[in-house]
Amino acid sequence: DAKTTQPPSMDCAEGRAANLPCNHSTISGNEYVYWYRQIHSQGPQYIIHGLKNNETNEMASLIITEDRKSSTLILPHATLRDTAVYYCIVSYGGSQGNLIFGKGTKLSVKP
Amino acid sequence: DAGVIQSPRHEVTEMGQEVTLRCKPISGHDYLFWYRQTMMRGLELLIYFNNNVPIDDSGMPEDRFSAKMPNASFSTLKIQPSEPRDSAVYFCASSTIWTLTDTQYFGPGTRLTVL
Repeated sequence: DAKTTQPPSMDCAEGRAANLPCNHSTISGNEYVYWYRQIHSQGPQYIIHGLKNNETNEMASLIITEDRKSSTLILPHATLRDTAVYYCIVSYGGSQGNLIFGKGTKLSVKP
Repeated sequence: DAGVIQSPRHEVTEMGQEVTLRCKPISGHDYLFWYRQTMMRGLELLIYFNNNVPIDDSGMPEDRFSAKMPNASFSTLKIQPSEPRDSAVYFCASSTIWTLTDTQYFGPGTRLTVL
């Protein structure tokens, strides 16, 4: 079973920031938080990951709370092409084979 | 970089027929994963290989499913005989341990329909 809890769906206006929450209250000290997304009819795509510190890359920012029990993925300026299912996953870094995809959050970006 | 390549992209077959799905991982990656995605069960890991050796096949549904990786650049997932409940999208993914992360790169998938 997935170790994370995400809202099933969210809407966001085009050009606005999309903030996708994830709860992972049972995360252990050396588990990472990963975010993937799946655009309709495509394979999942890696977005970002983090351990304790906030992370930012060209796609998104990841904010992890100090107690690490929750995190938020931020898409700073959502576009229509960001409409997808977003998966939050916790896993040991480099463990391989341990990505358990839950149901994710269906993000709909609207014009 | 061409990314992970899967073939065919679509497969329609009749119950009882043998189905073979193919995957070419990203060059230099030492891990290869096979996933299945359905509306009911979501995305499930079936099996994964490290350096062409199967590591965990606990997700393979039953003996009708088999997977091989004869070399670092090719893997197959075979279903024999196929059944309608095998209809799903099958994804192949690859990764490398050298990143010390779980960053997997997925292929476009094969949509299988068993009539």
